[in-house]
Amino acid sequence: SQQGEEDPQALSIQEGENATMNCSYKTSINNLQWYRQNSGRGLVHLILIRSNEREKHSGRLRVTLDTSKKSSSLLITASRAADTASYFCATPGKEYGNKLVFGAGTILRVKS
Amino acid sequence: NAGVTQTPKFRVLKTGQSMTLLCAQDMNHEYMYWYRQDPGMGLRLIHYSVGEGTTAKGEVPDGYNVSRLKKQNFLLGLESAAPSQTSVYFCASSYSRRGYLNNSYNEQFFGPGTRLTVL
Repeated sequence: SQQGEEDPQALSIQEGENATMNCSYKTSINNLQWYRQNSGRGLVHLILIRSNEREKHSGRLRVTLDTSKKSSSLLITASRAADTASYFCATPGKEYGNKLVFGAGTILRVKS
Repeated sequence: NAGVTQTPKFRVLKTGQSMTLLCAQDMNHEYMYWYRQDPGMGLRLIHYSVGEGTTAKGEVPDGYNVSRLKKQNFLLGLESAAPSQTSVYFCASSYSRRGYLNNSYNEQFFGPGTRLTVL
């Protein structure tokens, strides 16, 4: 079973606009991670936010975490065509010794 | 450094055939994982290993076997392939931290994937 679920499933925006993706999870966690996957490639780690953090920044990325709502959001500011990819949230899966469990992902398309 | 590599990149099998997917990492990571990715399903964990000589089942282990004879290699075997195993397979690795709960903070490094079709 999947721990995290992303929303929306797909998002299409113009270059320069901001993109926001959301992730909801079911059980308590100590951290949540976001990954990017370009078409036909493996996943690349973007950012990790701990359960005692509410917000974290990395370049044009901003991640928030609301443990009371069991949700996280990933904001990409001033998007570029190169940001076109699938984005996944991942949380520790207690059933598998805290290994990461991934959601189904959000497909982001940035039009130039 | 090559990071995480996977062999082969593509493969077509007939039902009932067997094959082995090879994953290699040169980062001296303790932990290695095998996932499968299907449309609309995200990534699902098949098996994982926390060190040389150890393996454990993940979310969808049926029909697969694994071995970790060397720290840098993690093999995924399909003894009798079925069409339901048509998928893209990803290997990943991560370093270990001290303490059981601390291991959940591991960033995972992924290989480029193997696209497998079973006819």
